[in-house]
Amino acid sequence: AQKITQTQPGMFVQEKEAVTLDCTYDTSDQSYGLFWYKQPSSGEMIFLIYQGSYDEQNATEGRYSLNFQKARKSANLVISASQLGDSAMYFCAIRRGGKLIFGQGTELSVKP
Amino acid sequence: EAQVTQNPRYLITVTGKKLTVTCSQNMNHEYMSWYRQDPGLGLRQIYYSMNVEVTDKGDVPEGYKVSRKEKRNFPLILESPSPNQTSLYFCASSLQLLSYEQYFGPGTRLTVT
Repeated sequence: AQKITQTQPGMFVQEKEAVTLDCTYDTSDQSYGLFWYKQPSSGEMIFLIYQGSYDEQNATEGRYSLNFQKARKSANLVISASQLGDSAMYFCAIRRGGKLIFGQGTELSVKP
Repeated sequence: EAQVTQNPRYLITVTGKKLTVTCSQNMNHEYMSWYRQDPGLGLRQIYYSMNVEVTDKGDVPEGYKVSRKEKRNFPLILESPSPNQTSLYFCASSLQLLSYEQYFGPGTRLTVT
């Protein structure tokens, strides 16, 4: 069965520093997609970054990068130069066919 | 403006009273999906639809129904709501099944007493 694990329920980071949010997954599929979403306190879900299982390069989107280690089945999100507005819940998700399975989330707090 | 809309945004109802949460997108997306979000569990997929008249179960479909008669609309139906369906519900859409970006609606907070 598909499974996504985010082992950090909450994290703190100092403003302007980098932070890594962990995500491991369990799948027997060869083709899959990995996603990260941000959910601020206002509640909306914001797409951040995507990594396909066959993509050879790690995905990057501005200050967000995905550290994809396929053999270890991990897809960690790296946020560089943290900003106060990065304080939010972050969800990792895996897509298999039409299904999208989310992890439990990590609450990130950025300290000034 | 490209968006996914949900109505109502907030709903308090009683056990057993049928309700429908509407979802509409104006981006001509083929793929639409419903999720529920509960504390400590993340988002769990209820149903999804790859196109008109094509729907399939997600991980937690029990107690829910959906229909996709038009491309833009994907309503979620609770025939006989129960308190364990109290949750935050999100509708989402993407251009196609394999598109990497899903657009989420603003969410519907449902309370069943």
